[in-house]
Amino acid sequence: QKEVEQNSGPLSVPEGAIASLNCTYSDRGSQSFFWYRQYSGKSPELIMSIYSNGDKEDGRFTAQLNKASQYVSLLIRDSQPSDSATYLCAVNKPQAGTALIFGKGTTLSVSS
Amino acid sequence: NAGVTQTPKFQVLKTGQSMTLQCAQDMNHNSMYWYRQDPGMGLRLIYYSASEGTTDKGEVPNGYNVSRLNKREFSLRLESAAPSQTSVYFCASTFRGDGYTFGSGTRLTVV
Repeated sequence: QKEVEQNSGPLSVPEGAIASLNCTYSDRGSQSFFWYRQYSGKSPELIMSIYSNGDKEDGRFTAQLNKASQYVSLLIRDSQPSDSATYLCAVNKPQAGTALIFGKGTTLSVSS
Repeated sequence: NAGVTQTPKFQVLKTGQSMTLQCAQDMNHNSMYWYRQDPGMGLRLIYYSASEGTTDKGEVPNGYNVSRLNKREFSLRLESAAPSQTSVYFCASTFRGDGYTFGSGTRLTVV
C-alpha cells in the first residue's frame, strides 16, 4: 500500500461548482496533514493545513480530516478557472519529524 | 524577498559529471528538505535536515549527498550524474512543521 494515495484525475468541474479532492494515508501515527496547489511549471504552494479530526475552513477551501478512516479531503466551493491546477496531499512521516510524504496529486480542471 | 532561493534554475549535465544544487532560506527555519518531482511520480523525498548539523535519508537517497552548511543553507550534490536523475528538484524549509515553503525549483537534464 502506498503511503499517500490520491486519484490522479483529471477532475473536471464547471465554474461555480464544488470540487472534491480526496486522499488516504497508511501510517496511523501521522499527525499533520496538508494540501498544496501546484500550477504547471511552478513550485507547490501551501493552501491548507489540518491537524485535528473535523473540518477546517479558509475562504472557499475546506479541509476535512478523519483519522479513524485515514482520510483527508479538500473541498473547493465556487470553483474558478484559476483553481485549475494539481492538488497535492501531504502527510507527515512520524519517524522523520517534520518530513512530509506527498501523494502523486490530483489534476483539477475548472471550465468556464 | 523572504523565501527559499535555489540555484541554478536550469542545468544540463553529461552522464558522469558532478554538480551541486544550492538552496538558501532567510526565514530562520530549522528544517530543510530536498525533493525530486518526476511525471507520474509526485514529489519524492531525497534527504532532509531536521536541524543544523543533522541530515537524514529520505525515500530516494541513492546517488545523492547533502550538506547542511549552516542554518540557512542546504546543498544537494550529484557525484556522478545519471540519466535517471533527470528531474525537477525542489528545496523546501519549515520552522516547526507547520507547512513547507518551497523554492522555485531546478530543472536538471542528464544526457
